[in-house]
Amino acid sequence: NAGVTQTPKFQVLKTGQSMTLQCAQDMNHNSMYWYRQDPGMGLRLIYYSASEGTTDKGEVPNGYNVSRLNKREFSLRLESAAPSQTSVYFCASSLGLAGGLGGTDTQYFGPGTRLTVL
Amino acid sequence: KQEVTQIPAALSVPEGENLVLNCSFTDSAIYNLQWFRQDPGKGLTSLLLIQSSQREQTSGRLNASLDKSSGRSTLYIAASQPGDSATYLCVVSGGYQKVTFGTGTKLQVIP
Repeated sequence: NAGVTQTPKFQVLKTGQSMTLQCAQDMNHNSMYWYRQDPGMGLRLIYYSASEGTTDKGEVPNGYNVSRLNKREFSLRLESAAPSQTSVYFCASSLGLAGGLGGTDTQYFGPGTRLTVL
Repeated sequence: KQEVTQIPAALSVPEGENLVLNCSFTDSAIYNLQWFRQDPGKGLTSLLLIQSSQREQTSGRLNASLDKSSGRSTLYIAASQPGDSATYLCVVSGGYQKVTFGTGTKLQVIP
């Protein structure tokens, strides 16, 4: 049981290059998320997908696009990378949409992708 | 806007010591509060989730408390072990897409 997997684990880009971060979960979860983690700051939500076929912006969506390819996979694309996008990116999933009243939907996180944009 | 603060940012203790990690939040209108553990290269793992109607949750050597009115939560770790070394994150939820992460306390347990 792999849980949440992310590829690649490390990536170095030059300013202006594009790339896609891949995420997959094998827990039959409905909701998936992309976060970024920067030094001295808590994780911040970039985009989320409440269910297959839907995506919505989070707190910091500028410069990113996402695709919920199917129930298992949720990708994050940087069209034109900038140094400000240097960060550690985490994908997460949960059975239901996390955070709701009485919610018990724990998010399960992948190991992260460390991205450096030069 | 909800703000979640964890103090201290880093803590070093000898093995076997009992310890308390602190989390404070500015908006008491929360739905639940969760403690996660973050290990390098391994992402985040949920430890305990406390619903807004609850005061505490326990799992093994861990006990988390919640005081909504004062905007505080504590994570108590009994008889600490070197394997407890990690960064501990407090996460507060005020509803869908109102999930706020703290910056964490990095714990080192010295053998």
